[in-house]
Formats: sequence, C-alpha cells, structure tokens
Amino acid sequence: NAGVTQTPKFRILKIGQSMTLQCAQDMNHNYMYWYRQDPGMGLKLIYYSVGAGITDKGEVPNGYNVSRSTTEDFPLRLELAAPSQTSVYFCASSYSSGAGAEQYFGPGTRLTVT
Amino acid sequence: AQSVTQPDIHITVSEGASLELRCNYSYGATPYLFWYVQSPGQGLQLLLKYFSGDTLVQGIKGFEAEFKRSQSSFNLRKPSVHWSDAAEYFCAVGAGNNDMRFGAGTRLTVKP
Repeated sequence: NAGVTQTPKFRILKIGQSMTLQCAQDMNHNYMYWYRQDPGMGLKLIYYSVGAGITDKGEVPNGYNVSRSTTEDFPLRLELAAPSQTSVYFCASSYSSGAGAEQYFGPGTRLTVT
Repeated sequence: AQSVTQPDIHITVSEGASLELRCNYSYGATPYLFWYVQSPGQGLQLLLKYFSGDTLVQGIKGFEAEFKRSQSSFNLRKPSVHWSDAAEYFCAVGAGNNDMRFGAGTRLTVKP
C-alpha cells in the first residue's frame, strides 16, 4: 500500500493564480482531511469529507474548495491564491470517524504564494 | 472547543538522556489524546493514543505517555533518547465528530 500520497511536493504560485493540490489514498478509508501547517501554529483543519460526495468545512476553509467524487481522491482547490495561503498542506485519511480516529498523513505539499 | 498547549517550542537533550515533552489540553469531557511525530520533510506518524482505561499508554519507538486528568496533561516520555528521535512532536486532542485540534509542536534536538 502506498498509503496517502500528495502531489506536487512543492509549488510556487503568483498572487491570483489558482491550483489544485492532489491527494489520494489506497486504504479504502471513507474519511479524508486537509490541514495546513504554519510555523509555530500546529495543524489547522481546512476541509474534511466523510465519504464520496460529502464534504464539510473545518476551522479555516476560506479561500479553498474541495470535492470528493471517489473514495480514493480528495483534491483541494485554491482559487485566487494569496500570500496568506503560503503554508505546508497535509492530506490525511482515517478508517472511522469521531474523536478517536487515528489519521494517516501524506508527506505534504509546500506552497509558496508570491 | 477543545485546545492543546505545548509549552516548549524547542527542547535539546543529549543522546541517552531521558525525555519528557509536555502537553496540556482543554476540554470539558474525557478527551481522546494523541501524540504524533513529524520527521523533517515527512507527514505525521502516530506514536500513541489514549481513549480510556490505563492512564499510562505505550507507543511505538519506546515512547510512553501518561494521562493526568487532575492536571489536564498528557506528557510524552522516553527513558533514553536516540539521535533518530530528533523530530517535531505534536500533541492532539480529538473531540466531537472529525474535530481534532493540534498543539503548535515541540521541536526536539538530540546532541551527540
């Protein structure tokens, strides 16, 4: 199993550009998550999904969109990139939901917006 | 909402020395508590978790953590640190549906 994979690993965007961060998992997990990690701030939840076709906002959703057309894939879309979106983005998945679910993380995408 | 505080941003220990990383949480009910480790350039890996029962939990790589309800703490310990333990460590608390909150992390440096 590859686990959770993310592409690209690095990306530089100009202000106002858009891009999609890809995330895929091969563990047949229903639950998937997108986090951003800023220095000294820990991880903050952007969006999550409880299954194909179902998504919901997390703590910091503004400026992002997601879709979940299959169990395996959970892309994160940035429209009109802003410098405040410079961060490291992590995708995660879990077999179950709820407060006790162990999450499995991808290696991250480092995004710089200039 | 629940929250997590890791008071130490950076800790340096000598190889072979013992380690304790502090974590304090805020949550009204019994929380689900986790410790994750992040090696440079990698995603997070689960070290251990606490749900209920025995307050001393064992994890991978020789780590353990103790839940102390009276102190709202879940400190991570290791008796003898190895150079490969140098990484960033995150404490997290889960509460409610799909709502996991992470601390800001503690960066561990290991001196030879």
